[in-house]
Amino acid sequence: DSGVTQTPKHLITATGQRVTLRCSPRSGDLSVYWYQQSLDQGLQFLIQYYNGEERAKGNILERFSAQQFPDLHSELNLSSLELGDSALYFCASSVTGASNTGELFFGEGSRLTVL
Amino acid sequence: AQKITQTQPGMFVQEKEAVTLDCTYDTSDPSYGLFWYKQPSSGEMIFLIYQGSYDQQNATEGRYSLNFQKARKSANLVISASQLGDSAMYFCAMKGGNDMRFGAGTRLTVKP
Repeated sequence: DSGVTQTPKHLITATGQRVTLRCSPRSGDLSVYWYQQSLDQGLQFLIQYYNGEERAKGNILERFSAQQFPDLHSELNLSSLELGDSALYFCASSVTGASNTGELFFGEGSRLTVL
Repeated sequence: AQKITQTQPGMFVQEKEAVTLDCTYDTSDPSYGLFWYKQPSSGEMIFLIYQGSYDQQNATEGRYSLNFQKARKSANLVISASQLGDSAMYFCAMKGGNDMRFGAGTRLTVKP
């Protein structure tokens, strides 16, 4: 158990809909990262927050948005869903922000299926 | 911009033998960290090993070692005495600045 909690574990929805994925980082970790992993693909970096502030942005679509709340949990909002958004969405946390050290601890992921 | 390259989509190894998974990277940051993660078929991401850009010695963690060649910008993972449970996807990653980027991964299959 990494200590990172993601909900829901599985989600099935229809095209055009909106969903929210939730992540609770490990106790004490200030950084939260979001990744998207499509079938048999690598992990695509979406966005990173540190102590409530956005720190880095990757290949995140404009239809997607995220935030980190004062209690450090984070939410990833996906709207106007398309079939291609079907993927495993990982949240990861780290105690550090901009340092080059500190591995990421991953949640079990939220598997989104868009029909 | 950071870039991580894993050129081996799939690898096979006989049980109890050693295997090397390749990883090259490109960055202009003088300070960075290199990581390897394992993703079994169940989907979770498991941290294996870390190497800092200023570390003089190659990192080792049990059966895992990281062959770090800074001048060549490579960070290959060596798994010794392969076990059937090592069959999984392996991802190389680099952390520098504010984010961590992953390579495309290598699928390792251990044959009995």
